[in-house]
Amino acid sequence: RKEVEQDPGPFNVPEGATVAFNCTYSNSASQSFFWYRQDCRKEPKLLMSVYSSGNEDGRFTAQLNRASQYISLLIRDSKLSDSATYLCVVNRNNDMRFGAGTRLTVKP
Amino acid sequence: GAVVSQHPSRVICKSGTSVKIECRSLDFQATTMFWYRQFPKQSLMLMATSNEGSKATYEQGVEKDKFLINHASLTLSTLTVTSAHPEDSSFYICSAMGNTEAFFGQGTRLTVV
Repeated sequence: RKEVEQDPGPFNVPEGATVAFNCTYSNSASQSFFWYRQDCRKEPKLLMSVYSSGNEDGRFTAQLNRASQYISLLIRDSKLSDSATYLCVVNRNNDMRFGAGTRLTVKP
Repeated sequence: GAVVSQHPSRVICKSGTSVKIECRSLDFQATTMFWYRQFPKQSLMLMATSNEGSKATYEQGVEKDKFLINHASLTLSTLTVTSAHPEDSSFYICSAMGNTEAFFGQGTRLTVV
């Protein structure tokens, strides 16, 4: 079993749609959690950290359920510029583990 | 914010030659850096953890004699792909942990012909 598993995707949605990504992790000792965004042929960049209380940044909402070892990302009112691969990242003792990523394409 | 610089961004080399990739933390010290490899349409796969002043820790299946890592200072780690072959062609990315997040280099696209 992979340490971090994500929805395989791809997700193809129209502009304005709401889309949700799910992620599970296997190591209960994991300490911190992130969503990164990776554009084609570029390095990953931090989208947002994920906290147990849930956190929101504009159109993006991240949730963490430690008991279920589950992380989610919700994107509302999706834009064309949201098209990218979204990576679920789990950190334990500064060892970052990545999910395989979920590709999102937002179409006009 | 913290920046990690990786060089070169793109390299084409002949089969059998060696290629060195540099990863520098520009405005912070990184005792630990990470090297990843990403094949087309696949996820980032951790290759090794580079520790300043000591030997790197390699992930299972990664040949330490082929992928030489040197972390000689708190701001520089290098990855050398020795005797490169076409199957080593990939996107290599380094990262270093800042206070609250990981920062990535720009990546190196290696093509072995």
